[in-house]
Amino acid sequence: QQPVQSPQAVILREGEDAVINCSSSKALYSVHWYRQKHGEAPVFLMILLKGGEQKGHEKISASFNEKKQQSSLYLTASQLSYSGTYFCGTGDSNDYKLSFGAGTTVTVRA
Amino acid sequence: SQTIHQWPATLVQPVGSPLSLECTVEGTSNPNLYWYRQAAGRGLQLLFYSVGIGQISSEVPQNLSASRPQDRQFILSSKKLLLSDSGFYLCAWKRFRGEKLLFGSGTQLSVL
Repeated sequence: QQPVQSPQAVILREGEDAVINCSSSKALYSVHWYRQKHGEAPVFLMILLKGGEQKGHEKISASFNEKKQQSSLYLTASQLSYSGTYFCGTGDSNDYKLSFGAGTTVTVRA
Repeated sequence: SQTIHQWPATLVQPVGSPLSLECTVEGTSNPNLYWYRQAAGRGLQLLFYSVGIGQISSEVPQNLSASRPQDRQFILSSKKLLLSDSGFYLCAWKRFRGEKLLFGSGTQLSVL
């Protein structure tokens, strides 16, 4: 079953912050976050594993609440380069099957 | 280093024609392999995944099939393409449980 992402789209001005949420109805072992530019393959941002951790990559960070089967991606002080569609992917208990949400389109304007 | 190769980059095929897309991974052994499809402006739909040679799990029952004839080779096939098969096809791989999933460059398939 696919995870549910929200919001579907967000428009930001440079320097603003945003949060993208991802939730699943099933127990998760992993949550993966990707950014995709138009016409290109998704690019890996970070992975969070069962254990409720938080990770960061420059000004992009994420958290994983294992009990609630939810993850959030935090875009801090957004830059023009952050524009794109963000996908969360969730791994089931054995982490073989990876299902993706519908994506969140982020537009950062100058 | 590990790399994934996927080809062709673009493909235009008539309705009813066969399809074969190939993906290979280098620099690793026994990877988990995946095929995803992305319709225009949509999310990533898992089609097939494989955790070993000859082991294929199908997520979407339709006129597509997948095979893994060698450890690092994953092939997506169809005997007769439909208009609805158009989309961006992505091969992906990861080494083992808890590892990141990495995508190939994708094949843009247009069925006319």
